[in-house]
Amino acid sequence: EVQLVQSGAEVKKSGEPLKISCKASGYSFTTYWIGWVRQMPGKGLEWMGIINPVDSDTRYSPSFQGQVTISADKSISTAYLQWSSLKASDTAMYYCTRQWNHDIWGQGTMVTVSS
Amino acid sequence: DIVMTQSPDTLSLSPGERATLSCRASQSVRSNFLAWYQQKPGQAPKFLIYGASTRATGIPDRFSGSGSGTDFTLTISSLEPEDFAVYYCQQYGSSPLTFGGGTKVEIK
Repeated sequence: EVQLVQSGAEVKKSGEPLKISCKASGYSFTTYWIGWVRQMPGKGLEWMGIINPVDSDTRYSPSFQGQVTISADKSISTAYLQWSSLKASDTAMYYCTRQWNHDIWGQGTMVTVSS
Repeated sequence: DIVMTQSPDTLSLSPGERATLSCRASQSVRSNFLAWYQQKPGQAPKFLIYGASTRATGIPDRFSGSGSGTDFTLTISSLEPEDFAVYYCQQYGSSPLTFGGGTKVEIK
């Protein structure tokens, strides 16, 4: 079965770093780009960026450029989304997705940041 | 950036009725790279349609997508109880990719 399995919910304080993960299985990880999508509580979907696991070529939405880092480790079929210093406004559900048209979605990782 | 505008915000319909959801882009979507997703409360979005009109694997044929350029439509021919949800369109032809604000299909 093709799936993306994300790491568990996180509760952090403002200023702390965080790295969440997305592990792919059921297909060749290097064949498809992996993207990240944010959904703030009660709001819509926002595209954050996408990475090519083959060469780590990464594209960011201007809204998220410099705010987060997307990376991937093809040896373990895992993509990552990280923050160096969280803000309360980073509180949201984060989804990893496959490909530019998001054909497969992870189950989501809820990140809660308290000030 | 391409701005995607969905209408209406909410659609109140009964099971068995036809739902027509609109998605308009602020500029032409390259190669009609337009997708639709369904999201139910507490769940991840589900991939429905890509390339404006091609159903994803396993999606019932009561869901259909149409349109080109800047105007796109998702039609649900006869609403089933499980179809009441929020629907999002997204263009993936130009970076940054952009989503519409969503249309909620609720039970009347």
